Amino acid sequence: EAGVAQSPRYKIIEKRQSVAFWCNPISGHATLYWYQQILGQGPKLLIQFQNNGVVDDSQLPKDRFSAERLKGVDSTLKIQPAKLEDSAVYLCASSLGTGANTGELFFGEGSRLTVL
Amino acid sequence: EDKVVQSPLSLVVHEGDTVTLNCSYEVTNFRSLLWYKQEKKAPTFLFMLTSSGIEKKSGRLSSILDKKELFSILNITATQTGDSAIYLCAVNDNYGQNFVFGPGTRLSVLP
Repeated sequence: EAGVAQSPRYKIIEKRQSVAFWCNPISGHATLYWYQQILGQGPKLLIQFQNNGVVDDSQLPKDRFSAERLKGVDSTLKIQPAKLEDSAVYLCASSLGTGANTGELFFGEGSRLTVL
Repeated sequence: EDKVVQSPLSLVVHEGDTVTLNCSYEVTNFRSLLWYKQEKKAPTFLFMLTSSGIEKKSGRLSSILDKKELFSILNITATQTGDSAIYLCAVNDNYGQNFVFGPGTRLSVLP
């Protein structure tokens, strides 16, 4: 079974530039998450999708971050314009079920962003 | 607001030692607690705990949950250098809407 795919693995940009990350979850997984993990900290949820609808985006900085999952499968996360404090690993995860049947999270290998 | 605290934040041991990692939490409508191991890439799943007092075991790793005192421990016996990683604890609420992660415990096992 193929895992969660993410790209690019690494990205270096200058502040005020834009960047986009892509995620393809495990086939059949209804729920998709984007987490931000800053060095030395645990992952922090940015946005959660269930199929193609947003369940929780309360911690997404909407003035600069956007995400979509148009067909309920793969997803993109965009940052525009980037700030120095956005330097982090962006982890995509998926889970099979929804609601109380969510099960565990399966993570991709992450996209490491460095903002100079 | 849901909260997960892990201790210690960092731990250095020698091969063969036994370690205990702690995770305490505050969450409304608790459903499950999960442990993950994170090396240089994606966190990998270790255990999911939903019931108090039932130990989950996988090789040298074991974990148990206390829902009354709101904590869990992860034990690793006879540690090896390959156990060096960050161990993340996360809790999931009864609606399955979110997984809240702790800061992690960075374990270093020296030869």
